[in-house]
Amino acid sequence: AQSVTQLGSHVSVSEGALVLLRCNYSSSVPPYLFWYVQYPNQGLQLLLKYTTGATLVKGINGFEAEFKKSETSFHLTKPSAHMSDAAEYFCAVSVAGANNLFFGTGTRLTVIP
Amino acid sequence: DTAVSQTPKYLVTQMGNDKSIKCEQNLGHDTMYWYKQDSKKFLKIMFSYNNKELIINETVPNRFSPKSPDKAHLNLHINSLELGDSAVYFCASSQSGASGNTIYFGEGSWLTVV
Repeated sequence: AQSVTQLGSHVSVSEGALVLLRCNYSSSVPPYLFWYVQYPNQGLQLLLKYTTGATLVKGINGFEAEFKKSETSFHLTKPSAHMSDAAEYFCAVSVAGANNLFFGTGTRLTVIP
Repeated sequence: DTAVSQTPKYLVTQMGNDKSIKCEQNLGHDTMYWYKQDSKKFLKIMFSYNNKELIINETVPNRFSPKSPDKAHLNLHINSLELGDSAVYFCASSQSGASGNTIYFGEGSWLTVV
């Protein structure tokens, strides 16, 4: 079975500061890893995903994440936070042949002006 | 055009009632899902259908019954609603067979049982 752990249910950063949202995964087979964002009262939107190949993945809105197998991590970063980044962020894991995503508990990002 | 659309977006109903949430996707995907997001924002799969056939059925009360009339539609019917059913229900879809297939979510249906 697969699972993800998101460290920190709430993260606050100042506008312009680095955003770092942590995600660690558990999987007995090579994982596929995803980051989704949920704005208030909206659905989930895919930010980026890692399947195979390059371990540094770039996504939308300036976000990127790096797959580190040795650390079983897939942390999400953005060099400079913008007010519009305030949202709930979910890390998720899947594996080949699976028809499901296992989600972490989410991290709420607050951006302080 | 909305890729995954679900209706209604907001639903307030009394305990004991029966309600349905409809979902349609225009992405040509062969797999559809229902996820439940609880008050703590935790997301968990309820059901998954591939080509109209049920392939995932998590531990969900049998008051919840999904129906897939065709590949593009997956509706969720809930009987005898309880207070604990209050949550956000997300419909989603994906294409099976693709490596790391992305799951696309609808906007959610906010169900409040009073």
